[in-house]
Amino acid sequence: AQTVTQSQPEMSVQEAETVTLSCTYDTSESNYYLFWYKQPPSRQMILVIRQEAYKQQNATENRFSVNFQKAAKSFSLKISDSQLGDTAMYFCAFVRYNFNKFYFGSGTKLNVKP
Amino acid sequence: NAGVTQTPKFRILKIGQSMTLQCTQDMNHNYMYWYRQDPGMGLKLIYYSVGAGITDKGEVPNGYNVSRSTTEDFPLRLELAAPSQTSVYFCASSYSMNPRDRDTGELFFGEGSRLTVL
Repeated sequence: AQTVTQSQPEMSVQEAETVTLSCTYDTSESNYYLFWYKQPPSRQMILVIRQEAYKQQNATENRFSVNFQKAAKSFSLKISDSQLGDTAMYFCAFVRYNFNKFYFGSGTKLNVKP
Repeated sequence: NAGVTQTPKFRILKIGQSMTLQCTQDMNHNYMYWYRQDPGMGLKLIYYSVGAGITDKGEVPNGYNVSRSTTEDFPLRLELAAPSQTSVYFCASSYSMNPRDRDTGELFFGEGSRLTVL
C-alpha cells in the first residue's frame, strides 16, 4: 500500500517570502506521479504542480517549484514570493502509472501574513 | 466548460434518512471518484469508476453506493445516514492514467458538498 505523509499541519510565512512544504511517501513502485493540490477557503481543489517519477528535472510552475528526491521518497513544494492568495490547505498526492487510486496526505495549512 | 459539477452544495439530514449526491462532468473523462474530507483531514476515497458500468470500492465504502450508467454521471447514494457521515464530499474526474497521454493523472474536482447528519 502507498502512504503519503505531510508532517507540517500548519505553517506561516510573510508576504513576499519563500516557504517550503514537506511531503514524503512510501511505495515500492518505480513509475508514478506526484502532485501538489491547493484548497483555498472556497474548498475548490486546484492542481498546483505535477511531477513524473521518471523525470529527474524538478517541475516548476511560475512561483511554485518542487524538490523531488526519488531515492529519499521526498517531494517538497517551494513557494517563492508568497502572496496573500496562496493562503490555503496544500495536499500532496501520489498515484501509480496506469492505476486509478490517488493517495493524499493529511494536508498543510499555509497562512500568508501581510 | 463547466468541468465537474456537484449538487447540492449543502444538505442537512436526519439520522436514518437517505439521499443522493449528484456529480456530472462534461470533459468525457473515463475515471471518476468520490472522496470525503473530514475536518482537518485529507481525502479518503469512497468509490471510483473507470468507465460506464464499472465501479469499485475505495478506502471507506461502507454506508455508500454508487452507479455509473453514463460517462458523464456518477451519483453517490447515502443509505441510512449516520452522524459519522458528516463530512465534505468531493467528486473528481480524470482523463487517463496512461503515461503517454499529456494530461494523465490530473484530477479535476467539483466544488464539494457539505453534508451534516443530525
